[in-house]
Amino acid sequence: SSELTQDPSVSVALGQTVRITCQGDSLRNYDPNWYQQKPGQAPLLVIYGKDHRPSGIPDRFSGSKSGNSASLTITGAQAEDEADYFCNSRDTNGVHWVFGGGTKVTV
Amino acid sequence: QVQLVQSGPEVKKPGASVTISCKASGYIFSHHAVHWVRQAPGQGLEWMGWINGGSGNTKTSLRLQGRLTITRDTSAATAYMELSGLTSDDTALYYCVREGSSGWHGEFDYWGLGTLVTVTS
Repeated sequence: SSELTQDPSVSVALGQTVRITCQGDSLRNYDPNWYQQKPGQAPLLVIYGKDHRPSGIPDRFSGSKSGNSASLTITGAQAEDEADYFCNSRDTNGVHWVFGGGTKVTV
Repeated sequence: QVQLVQSGPEVKKPGASVTISCKASGYIFSHHAVHWVRQAPGQGLEWMGWINGGSGNTKTSLRLQGRLTITRDTSAATAYMELSGLTSDDTALYYCVREGSSGWHGEFDYWGLGTLVTVTS
């Protein structure tokens, strides 16, 4: 099975922009989904299919992909955006799924 | 509204098995797959496997193949996960997750609150 690689942590000043990256072979064939997880809570879907926002997710969250690399961008980060962020996608075989190791965002 | 209600915490001895249930409501159970994802204390998310809510077909991660069994009861709108041969490495919070409607992207749009499984002698 393939893997998805994320940077362990990133910091951003309040109101600034932060980009969280995710790399892996599966992203060449499948678009990534992104999840936000705050302490003590279940993960929350924030971006699916590379760049689609579920209802209720602020438009400061956006996604993109190029080749085997994907990014989640928070434009104008807020204090409440401090959380762990995980990418995932179908595996290269299409019938399994894989998660990145997660990125801790500090605002 | 969509809800996934999981069974309560479990404490098991090494070598034992554990079964967790996940009762779905607020949508047509057979129209969506249910996945299982776990998270060891302080660690990231690990995809475990999934079941097609309609056909009952399943796939499990290569790492857990042979130990993980996923089933469902469509009449009860409930999915089950059984993990056997438990070790301390299986101590984790286990989530059941609904796969969304996009089909291709396989997004996990609704999550249960998680069931804590502790494996200790």
